[in-house]
Amino acid sequence: AQSVTQPDIHITVSEGASLELRCNYSYGATPYLFWYVQSPGQGLQLLLKYFSGDTLVQGIKGFEAEFKRSQSSFNLRKPSVHWSDAAEYFCAVYMEYGNKLVFGAGTILRVKS
Amino acid sequence: DAGVTQSPTHLIKTRGQQVTLRCSPKSGHDTVSWYQQALGQGPQFIFQYYEEEERQRGNFPDRFSGHQFPNYSSELNVNALLLGDSALYLCASSPGGSPLHFGNGTRLTVT
Repeated sequence: AQSVTQPDIHITVSEGASLELRCNYSYGATPYLFWYVQSPGQGLQLLLKYFSGDTLVQGIKGFEAEFKRSQSSFNLRKPSVHWSDAAEYFCAVYMEYGNKLVFGAGTILRVKS
Repeated sequence: DAGVTQSPTHLIKTRGQQVTLRCSPKSGHDTVSWYQQALGQGPQFIFQYYEEEERQRGNFPDRFSGHQFPNYSSELNVNALLLGDSALYLCASSPGGSPLHFGNGTRLTVT
């Protein structure tokens, strides 16, 4: 079955430190992959998406993600975290059959000063 | 340009009641999808509407139904509410295909 795994429920990083959030997916066809961010009480904001082409994708707010087919991964990175990045991050795969996004359980990012 | 708007923002209902949630898609978007996000979980797909028809449906009971209007806005109806229906309900819109823009959601509490 199609699924998305985000192994880390919580991650705490110091402000200014680098960040990597992990995402692994299980999907038989070529995946369309997404990262969303959700602040408390808010909806989902799209950070970046991968459809095809260059496996390193740039997004908003200084985030990037790298698609690695051999590892079925789509990890999110940021070189220097700001306190305002504290939020919950969701990785998702788009299933063309079903026209739906399948989400991971999310990773809560805490930023300490 | 307004994004996806949802109303109401919060709602409290009693078990057994019925509820209607509303969504206006981003301008130019004709496809609306609904997701349920329980506390501490990722969103789960409920269904998708396109051209006023339910195009796809997730693993939700028939108590969950929807509608799309000619102006592409949409409603989500839930009958016979259960405590487990308490969640954040998210609407997403797109010009077909994968949903790219989400609203801020409606927080439903069932007591």
